[in-house]
Amino acid sequence: GAGVSQSPSNKVTEKGKDVELRCDPISGHTALYWYRQSLGQGLEFLIYFQGNSAPDKSGLPSDRFSAERTGGSVSTLTIQRTQQEDSAVYLCASSLVPGQNEKLFFGSGTQLSVL
Amino acid sequence: GDSVTQMEGPVTLSEEAFLTINCTYTATGYPSLFWYVQYPGEGLQLLLKATKADDKGSNKGFEATYRKETTSFHLEKGSVQVSDSAVYFCALKGAGSYQLTFGKGTKLSVIP
Repeated sequence: GAGVSQSPSNKVTEKGKDVELRCDPISGHTALYWYRQSLGQGLEFLIYFQGNSAPDKSGLPSDRFSAERTGGSVSTLTIQRTQQEDSAVYLCASSLVPGQNEKLFFGSGTQLSVL
Repeated sequence: GDSVTQMEGPVTLSEEAFLTINCTYTATGYPSLFWYVQYPGEGLQLLLKATKADDKGSNKGFEATYRKETTSFHLEKGSVQVSDSAVYFCALKGAGSYQLTFGKGTKLSVIP
């Protein structure tokens, strides 16, 4: 597709369940990011992938969060044993290269609601 | 660490009013500065950027000037339209960094 695609667009789950969020970056983009947008909190960096390098996981808030990127393309963010404080919009972004001046292209996000 | 502080919203303006959204930053070295915009129901998109001191980024009638002496990157538009209603995020990338650090966002509503 032409842009970054995320699925599902909305996810409602029960506390304690696991969820998987998917991101399809723009074809050819080597850098992929996950951010979390919480109400009143702005955007919080979660994890970054660049090519075949080890990902930067420094933003993951707990060990319940993990992510992978298969074949340098699609990425999946997994949240295990979800908690109510995990409710947020999860945004994926990609860029052609990871340079300082490169702009990020964002998907529309997955709205996660944990009941 | 790097941080961005921007004007808290929400901001409500009448059409054709002048807009300023303040943004200041803390970073070592020479960061690149960005404004992203999120229209209702859409993903964030880059509005403008500036990569060195005194640079002015501009797009769609919006402008922001990279002021290193005041560590600021305020967003301005001379005459807002209803279609400018959105959430605006100031952001920076530190020198040599790949990661964007965002402000909390400012919601702008423009009424006819």
